[in-house]
Amino acid sequence: ETGVTQSPTHLIKTRGQQVTLRCSSQSGHNTVSWYQQALGQGPQFIFQYYREEENGRGNFPPRFSGLQFPNYSSELNVNALELDDSALYLCASSLARASGANVLTFGAGSRLTVL
Amino acid sequence: QQQVKQSPQSLIVQKGGISIINCAYENTAFDYFPWYQQFPGKGPALLIAIRPDVSEKKEGRFTISFNKSAKQFSLHIMDSQPGDSATYFCAARNQAGTALIFGKGTTLSVSS
Repeated sequence: ETGVTQSPTHLIKTRGQQVTLRCSSQSGHNTVSWYQQALGQGPQFIFQYYREEENGRGNFPPRFSGLQFPNYSSELNVNALELDDSALYLCASSLARASGANVLTFGAGSRLTVL
Repeated sequence: QQQVKQSPQSLIVQKGGISIINCAYENTAFDYFPWYQQFPGKGPALLIAIRPDVSEKKEGRFTISFNKSAKQFSLHIMDSQPGDSATYFCAARNQAGTALIFGKGTTLSVSS
């Protein structure tokens, strides 16, 4: 079984630009979540996608948006980049169950630097 | 109410010793409490998890102790090894079941 893969691994952007990060879910998983991890901090929840719709959102502005595709892969888009957006962006996939149990499997992340 | 507070920020333990990391939460609606381990350049990986109706869970050298009335839980690593050197995060799942709220992490160094 393949794990969660993310691309690109590293990228550098300038303030005001837009960025798209990509994620392939682990085989058999149907839910994708995105987290932002600033240096020296714990991951912070951005949003979750289930059945191609946003299923929950953290305290992030609308310039953070996402998509989930029929094959359960996902994109995170960030518009009008700010210096504080510099972070490791983590994608996590899971299998949504009626019981609510959904163990997250994280990818290695995309390291974004905004200059 | 959405915070999870984790301590200590860093921890140095001798090989063979016991590592203890503590977390506290406020929101009694949290229903699932996992611990994640993260190595440099990698994403967090699930280590062990517990539900609030259980007071202790043990998997190998790793044990979670959970105190529901105090709203605290802790990770104990027995017989700590240099390979355990990593950053550990406690987390709690929100009531909607859509998000994990993470602590700020504890960097563990096990000296040989």
